[in-house]
Amino acid sequence: DQQVKQNSPSLSVQEGRISILNCDYTNSMFDYFLWYKKYPAEGPTFLISISSIKDKNEDGRFTVFLNKSAKHLSLHIVPSQPGDSAVYFCAASARQSSGDKLTFGTGTRLAVRP
Amino acid sequence: NAGVMQNPRHLVRRRGQEARLRCSPMKGHSHVYWYRQLPEEGLKFMVYLQKENIIDESGMPKERFSAEFPKEGPSILRIQQVVRGDSAAYFCASSPEWQAYTDTQYFGPGTRLTVL
Repeated sequence: DQQVKQNSPSLSVQEGRISILNCDYTNSMFDYFLWYKKYPAEGPTFLISISSIKDKNEDGRFTVFLNKSAKHLSLHIVPSQPGDSAVYFCAASARQSSGDKLTFGTGTRLAVRP
Repeated sequence: NAGVMQNPRHLVRRRGQEARLRCSPMKGHSHVYWYRQLPEEGLKFMVYLQKENIIDESGMPKERFSAEFPKEGPSILRIQQVVRGDSAAYFCASSPEWQAYTDTQYFGPGTRLTVL
């Protein structure tokens, strides 16, 4: 049962344009959401997070949007840079009910073309 | 300001041997999590520990796998009698004392276990 879904396994974007990565979830108990970036042979690197009491969080070029009614979140990267090329994982936790363990999606591989 | 450290980075074992994976959390972090990533899949939660306590082991296989986080020293994930299906990347993450909506898990570089 995949509770966090990233339906696009890959995305290709031109440098300077916007990258939009999507994530859907099914567990209504999730109350904290995170995006991680991962390069090959390295551990995931935290990018940005959002709690369920908010619908938007911004940090530099990265913005995460949360639509609780649709159980959907997205990560916007603008402008995209070649160094952003990596696999992006969406993750969620249900802190109030089951603590801090993270449930991950299967990832979206982003390629930013120069 | 060292991040989460894991060793070894690569571990090769033959079927039936034991694998020991070590994780040292970031300074000041008291919570440790272990995740496993199988090829072409996302990370799957295994176990959550605090010093000398297992808080949540709902993701651990019932047999052959164990984890500890002693008062002194790193956290250890131990896999006994490894099988080929145990081949995966094992990631450790740590976080500080829990604060509502503010703490985040920081990951180590992972240990890549290959079972021959």
